[in-house]
Amino acid sequence: DIQMTQSPASLSASLEEIVTITCQASQDIGNWLSWYQQKPGKSPQLLIYGATSLADGVPSRFSGSRSGTQYSLKISRLQVEDIGIYYCLQAYSAPWTFGGGTKLELK
Amino acid sequence: AVQLVESGGGLVQPKESLKISCAASGFTFSNAAMYWVRQAPGKGLEWVARIRTKPNNYATYYADSVKGRFTISRDDSKSMVYLQMDNLKTEDTAMYYCTASSRYNSFAYWGQGTLVTVSS
Repeated sequence: DIQMTQSPASLSASLEEIVTITCQASQDIGNWLSWYQQKPGKSPQLLIYGATSLADGVPSRFSGSRSGTQYSLKISRLQVEDIGIYYCLQAYSAPWTFGGGTKLELK
Repeated sequence: AVQLVESGGGLVQPKESLKISCAASGFTFSNAAMYWVRQAPGKGLEWVARIRTKPNNYATYYADSVKGRFTISRDDSKSMVYLQMDNLKTEDTAMYYCTASSRYNSFAYWGQGTLVTVSS
């Protein structure tokens, strides 16, 4: 099975700060990587698909990048509404696997 | 607008069975692979099962943790997807989400979830 190692597990940042979350895949998954945001008591929402493509309706301050088997989600200027838990997902081969999550809080 | 509405969750005892359902609307259901994803209380997301489309012979895939106990199915005529859960264990307690895949197998659409609690 493909393992997705997500870091950090938690992160405290200030408004307008740049935030970066990473996921390391245990093997090549190409661009079959997506990012999700989950707010308390809510269903997850798709942010990024295909490693770098912005999902419909997602603010442009979110971006995704890839370097080999390392994938990153960047929030260029943190806003209050960005607080929540973020997950990566590999959908290259079954079983699909999520990263462990990153809890993003305001400093 | 796309809608996924789960139903059928509840409280069951260990070793019992439960079938949860998901009603889809707002997209061409028969063209979409469908999934179940779960989240135990206070924990992260876990992919559970996948069912492909008719041209792909409705192929199914399961997480190791549920293989042999859970069965995913779909009814394209009703735009419904189901998860039959047998021999339930306490560790199956979770919110179960129905999702539909989009580009690069990403989960573009999610339901609100249905809570399954396995406890004696």
